[in-house]
Amino acid sequence: EIVLTQSPGTLSLSPGARATLSCRASQSVSSNYLAWYQQKPGQAPRLLIYGASTRATGIPDRFSGSGSGTDFTLTISRLEPEDFAVYYCQQNVRSPLTFGQGTKVEVK
Amino acid sequence: QVQLMQSGAEVRMPGASLKVSCKASGYTFDSYYLYWVRQAPGQGLEWLGLISPGGGDTSFAQKFHDRVTMTSDPSTSTVYMGLSSLTSEDTAIYYCAKGVTGDRVDAFDVWGQGTMVTVSS
Repeated sequence: EIVLTQSPGTLSLSPGARATLSCRASQSVSSNYLAWYQQKPGQAPRLLIYGASTRATGIPDRFSGSGSGTDFTLTISRLEPEDFAVYYCQQNVRSPLTFGQGTKVEVK
Repeated sequence: QVQLMQSGAEVRMPGASLKVSCKASGYTFDSYYLYWVRQAPGQGLEWLGLISPGGGDTSFAQKFHDRVTMTSDPSTSTVYMGLSSLTSEDTAIYYCAKGVTGDRVDAFDVWGQGTMVTVSS
């Protein structure tokens, strides 16, 4: 199975700052089948990015995804108050689908 | 709008079984696989398995393969996830989710509201 390791575990930033989240895979994620989700307390996850860099419907352009192979990045260009949440990466190249352990973005 | 509506919260004794439903609406049910994911309290996301809309294709995470069942009723656009031999470690929110592109292995663009399952004696 493909193991995804996210870093850092927690990111403490101020509103307006740039956030850079990392996701590293134990094997190559071919065709960039890598997705990013946002989850707020008490809510289901929300798809932000799929195919490593395609924004899902309705996702603001301050969210962007990049990377290939085993190293992927989610960037939030300027943090809005509603962006403070937990973010997960997921590989959907092969079964079993796996998630990273999450990065919490908190207010500094 | 596209929606996945799950059945309500469940409480079970250890050793029991449960079945959670997920009714889809607002899109062509036949075109997208559905998936089940769970989240234990304070923990991350864990994938349980997938099912084709017709129910003929299923795949489960190895950890659950001998305890989980997934079925589909296309006539009602509803999928079901069953889990047997429950332990306290199965206490979690269980989500169903829809694929975004229609591929078998896919990202999840629509999620159900979640079903809280509590296993306790």
